[in-house]
Amino acid sequence: DAGVIQSPRHEVTEMGQEVTLRCKPISGHNSLFWYRQTMMRGLELLIYFNNNVPIDDSGMPEDRFSAKMPNASFSTLKIQPSEPRDSAVYFCASSLGQGISNEKLFFGSGTQLSVL
Amino acid sequence: EDQVTQSPEALRLQEGESSSLNCSYTVSGLRGLFWYRQDPGKGPEFLFTLYSAGEEKEKERLKATLTKKESFLHITAPKPEDSATYLCAVHNFNKFYFGSGTKLNVKP
Repeated sequence: DAGVIQSPRHEVTEMGQEVTLRCKPISGHNSLFWYRQTMMRGLELLIYFNNNVPIDDSGMPEDRFSAKMPNASFSTLKIQPSEPRDSAVYFCASSLGQGISNEKLFFGSGTQLSVL
Repeated sequence: EDQVTQSPEALRLQEGESSSLNCSYTVSGLRGLFWYRQDPGKGPEFLFTLYSAGEEKEKERLKATLTKKESFLHITAPKPEDSATYLCAVHNFNKFYFGSGTKLNVKP
């Protein structure tokens, strides 16, 4: 199994630009999660999907952030416009379960985002 | 407020020097406590899930235990390849809450 695949691995952009992060979950997994990791705040859950439907987006910092899951094998996290404080590592994770359950998360390798 | 606190933030050990990492939590409705290992430049990798107080899980040199308010990750005779950041996460009915991690460095 290829695991959770994220792209790009690194993204450097200028303030005000649109950024799109991509994720392919493990085949057969029903839940997909987007996390952000910083030194100051650690791992924060931004949003999670169950069967392609957004269930909880309360962690999305503001309207500049949006996420979609058009099908079971693809999700995007978009930031428009980007700001320097958005600089972080963004992780996508997937799991077998229905919604958030007592099942382990499989994480991708992350996207290192730098907004100048 | 739901919270997960890990200590210490960083730990340096000599190879073979056993120690423990702590994860304390104040999360209502706990449905599970998870330990993950994270290597630089990679995503967290699952190690253990603990569901109830008194439960223990082992994997090679690692042993995780759980009480009503905290979990310990015991590392016995660590090796340099055990160097990583260890994260704990607790799951209640709505979300996973991650701690900020303990960065472990094992010197040969």
